[in-house]
Amino acid sequence: EAGVAQSPRYKIIEKRQSVAFWCNPISGHATLYWYQQILGQGPKLLIQFQNNGVVDDSQLPKDRFSAERLKGVDSTLKIQPAKLEDSAVYLCASSFAILQGYEQYFGPGTRLTVT
Amino acid sequence: QKEVEQNSGPLSVPEGAIASLNCTYSDRVSQSFFWYRQYSGKSPELIMSIYSNGDKEDGRFTAQLNKASQYVSLLIRDSQPSDSATYLCAPGSSGGSYIPTFGRGTSLIVHP
Repeated sequence: EAGVAQSPRYKIIEKRQSVAFWCNPISGHATLYWYQQILGQGPKLLIQFQNNGVVDDSQLPKDRFSAERLKGVDSTLKIQPAKLEDSAVYLCASSFAILQGYEQYFGPGTRLTVT
Repeated sequence: QKEVEQNSGPLSVPEGAIASLNCTYSDRVSQSFFWYRQYSGKSPELIMSIYSNGDKEDGRFTAQLNKASQYVSLLIRDSQPSDSATYLCAPGSSGGSYIPTFGRGTSLIVHP
């Protein structure tokens, strides 16, 4: 079974530029999560989708971050404009169903550096 | 907002010893718990799920859940240098609305 795919793996941009990350979840997984992980901290949820609907985006900085999951499969997270403090690893995860208690499977992540 | 507390460590143990990692949580509704292992520079990997009070064993790993005390632990027996990583605790859900929250993780160092 293929895992969660993410691209790019690394990205370096200057502040005020824009960037987009892509995620393709495990086949059949209805729930998709985007996390931001700063060095030394646990993953922080940015947005959670159930199929193509948003379950929670309370911690998403909506003035600069946006995300979509068209057709309920792959998803894109965008930052525009980027700030220095956005430097972090952006993780995508997916989970199957409630019966599994929301066990999550993570992609390799995208390491973003904003200069 | 659920709170998940973990000692950030580092916890240093000699090879072959038992490593004990602890996690407390504030949400009384949580019915399941997950332990993830994260190697440096890698993404988290699910290593244990526990859904009921008591112990669950999987190889060298044992998860212990005490819902009354809102406490979950992970024991690693016969620790190996390859176990050196950060271990993240995350409460799950038995159903309904679920917003995942992770602890900051405990760094484990197993020295030869």
